[in-house]
Order: sequence, then C-alpha cells, then structure tokens
Amino acid sequence: DARVTQTPRHKVTEMGQEVTMRCQPILGHNTVFWYRQTMMQGLELLAYFRNRAPLDDSGMPKDRFSAEMPDATLATLKIQPSEPRDSAVYFCASGPGLGSPLHFGNGTRLTVT
Amino acid sequence: EDKVVQSPLSLVVHEGDTVTLNCSYEVTNFRSLLWYKQEKKAPTFLFMLTSSGIEKKSGRLSSILDKKELFSILNITATQTGDSAIYLCAVREGNAGNMLTFGGGTRLMVKP
Repeated sequence: DARVTQTPRHKVTEMGQEVTMRCQPILGHNTVFWYRQTMMQGLELLAYFRNRAPLDDSGMPKDRFSAEMPDATLATLKIQPSEPRDSAVYFCASGPGLGSPLHFGNGTRLTVT
Repeated sequence: EDKVVQSPLSLVVHEGDTVTLNCSYEVTNFRSLLWYKQEKKAPTFLFMLTSSGIEKKSGRLSSILDKKELFSILNITATQTGDSAIYLCAVREGNAGNMLTFGGGTRLMVKP
C-alpha cells in the first residue's frame, strides 16, 4: 500500500536552530505539497512542486523557510533559524496529476522552544 | 477573506445519530471539492465532487455538491465512535494547478 513517508515524526528544538523535514512522495506522483497545520490557522499551503519544479511558495516565509526537491523521491523543507511560532505539524502530500486527490503523509510535529 | 468555510466548528453527538457537516466556498474558477477525514495523523481522502446534484456515497457517508449555491454537505448516518475525527473540506481552483485550499475543519466527537 503506497504511502507518503515523512521524517522525522517528531522534532523538538531550540529557537535559532536549523530544522530539516523530509518527505518521500508516492512513486509516480509528480505533484508534491507542503502544508502546515495549527489549531489557529488550520491547514495552510507552504509550497507546491510539479515535476520537481517549484510552482507556488507564496505561503512560505521566505526569510527563514526553503523548500526543495533534489530528486523525484525526496522533498525537503528547511527552517533556519527556527522560531517558537513555527511550532506546528508539517504535512507533505503528493498527487499523481491534475485533478486527482492528494495523499498525505503522517506529518512532522515540530516544537520550537 | 476565507475561501472555504466549514460549519459547525465542532459537534458532539451520540452513537446512532445522523450528522450533517457543511462546507461553503468562494473561488473564481472552481474545479472540484474534496472531503478528507483526519484522525490522529494524516488526512485521508473521502470524496471528490465535481458535478452538482450527484451524490457520492461510501457506506454510511455521503456527500453532495451544489455549484449554484457554492456549498457541499457531508452526511454521516448511524454514527459510530470511530467516526470521531476532524473533517476537512478543500477546494481546487482551475488556475491553481493541483493545489487544494482547505477550510478550518469540523471536529466531530461521537460519544458511546
């Protein structure tokens, strides 16, 4: 049963530290998304890739966040430097193409103290 | 302004009750509306709706879309404790590729 894999599952770090979250999309899916979920804001889109090219990262604070897809099997989301307000669950999702449902990973729960 | 609005924010019912969850949207180039169920981890896909008036059904869950009035409902009949979750509605716009815009979710709790 194919699934989106995210690592780490949990991350606790101090403010100012760099955080890297990784995502392995489902094989064959050519769209990859990063979402952030908080109680206050719900699910917010951070970045969107199609065929590894970034299409939309308007939801991402550019000064500290960066998203990349070094290859088709790996997407990364980095925060440097991290701040307490970045504490949230970060979800990666992938999809096989336009018009298809997205499949979500189990998320990375980030706590920045 | 919010593009996708869900109501109620939260709901507590007893097993066996029927619930109706609402999702209204306001987008310029609507393509589809999706419902997801989120328990403790990843949102899992329930339904995708593209046409008005055609009910999608899966067991005790069903959903329908009204493109004229810009809303969708998700019905759950004979609720069970396992239905307790956050139900998320998301809309895909035609000029936004495969991107989904999510509503804030409805938190459903089903008590025994």
